[in-house]
Amino acid sequence: AQTVTQSQPEMSVQEAETVTLSCTYDTSESDYYLFWYKQPPSRQMILVIRQEAYKQQNATENRFSVNFQKAAKSFSLKISDSQLGDAAMYFCAYRSPGRSQGNLIFGKGTKLSVKP
Amino acid sequence: NAGVTQTPKFQVLKTGQSMTLQCAQDMNHNSMYWYRQDPGMGLRLIYYSASEGTTDKGEVPNGYNVSRLNKREFSLRLESAAPSQTSVYFCASSEQTTSLKTQYFGPGTRLLVL
Repeated sequence: AQTVTQSQPEMSVQEAETVTLSCTYDTSESDYYLFWYKQPPSRQMILVIRQEAYKQQNATENRFSVNFQKAAKSFSLKISDSQLGDAAMYFCAYRSPGRSQGNLIFGKGTKLSVKP
Repeated sequence: NAGVTQTPKFQVLKTGQSMTLQCAQDMNHNSMYWYRQDPGMGLRLIYYSASEGTTDKGEVPNGYNVSRLNKREFSLRLESAAPSQTSVYFCASSEQTTSLKTQYFGPGTRLLVL
């Protein structure tokens, strides 16, 4: 079974600085999808960025980018120019394309604090 | 376009009581999901519905039942609530299960079972 591990329960960053959140996963599949979700205090789950495993190019969405290392099974999220509104729980998630369930397998999350 | 909506937002139950959590989506998605989120853990899948008329168990289905009422609505029922079911419940939907299509989440229902 696939598992997702986020080894940093909490992280802190100064406003305008850059922070990287770590995520590793375990799978025997060669094709899959990876996601980062943000959960602010409102509890709404918001998709931040996603990556298809067969694409070597790292995904980028404005200030958010990933470092996808397929061989190492690592999928880290980099937030540049951090803003106060980035403070939230961040969840890494895995999804198998061939799986009928289609559900996301989540890590336990990293709580990000942004200091003004 | 409201996306995914859930009712109620918060509920307190006594052990043994029953209740139904409602979820609706207006994005014409085929697939819908129910997750629970417990402190210190990521979301775990309770039940899902790949398409209208089908439902299947997820990772933690015990103590729950679901109904896919139509393409828009997917409800979660607790027949006899237990304190272990105290959690935050999220409904989600996506175009289909087997693709990169994004899962969109509702705002969650906080349930407290005393």
